[in-house]
Amino acid sequence: KAGVTQTPRYLIKTRGQQVTLSCSPISGHRSVSWYQQTPGQGLQFLFEYFSETQRNKGNFPGRFSGRQFSNSRSEMNVSTLELGDSALYLCASSLAGAITDTQYFGPGTRLTVL
Amino acid sequence: AQSVTQLGSHVSVSEGALVLLRCNYSSSVPPYLFWYVQYPNQGLQLLLKYTSAATLVKGINGFEAEFKKSETSFHLTKPSAHMSDAAEYFCAALNSGGYQKVTFGTGTKLQVIP
Repeated sequence: KAGVTQTPRYLIKTRGQQVTLSCSPISGHRSVSWYQQTPGQGLQFLFEYFSETQRNKGNFPGRFSGRQFSNSRSEMNVSTLELGDSALYLCASSLAGAITDTQYFGPGTRLTVL
Repeated sequence: AQSVTQLGSHVSVSEGALVLLRCNYSSSVPPYLFWYVQYPNQGLQLLLKYTSAATLVKGINGFEAEFKKSETSFHLTKPSAHMSDAAEYFCAALNSGGYQKVTFGTGTKLQVIP
């Protein structure tokens, strides 16, 4: 069974631009969560989608948004990029997002904002 | 709010020596607890998780962790370190609400010295 895939793996953008990251969950998984990982803030939850609906959102500004498609693939978008948005963005999928479900992480997308 | 503390951002052990990575959580209600490992340029991989069943949890790659309510701890151990164990380890906790409520520790980088 294929794992969680994220594209692209690396991105370089400039301040003010916007970016879209993609995540394909493991087949059969309906929950997709996004995390931001930075050296200063560590791992922080962004949002989680289940059956095309955002179920919860972390403490990030509205510039960060996401969506999920009917095939459970998810995208996250960051508009008006700032230098501080440089991070590794991780996507994780699980069957239904329940505590008892194991969450599987993708390799991440490394975003660099210049 | 839930918090997770990992003592020691860097830990060095000799190959074959005991690995001990410390994690303490703050919660009056025992949460679900996890240990993840992250290799360079990769996502997180679940090592083990505690879900209020047995207090001694065995995971992959020879790792195990013991939940101690009285100490609010969930330390990760491995009897004999291997070079391939060199990575960053994250402890995480959540009380309820699914993975969107997970709180990660700041991580511990494990160095294994030959």
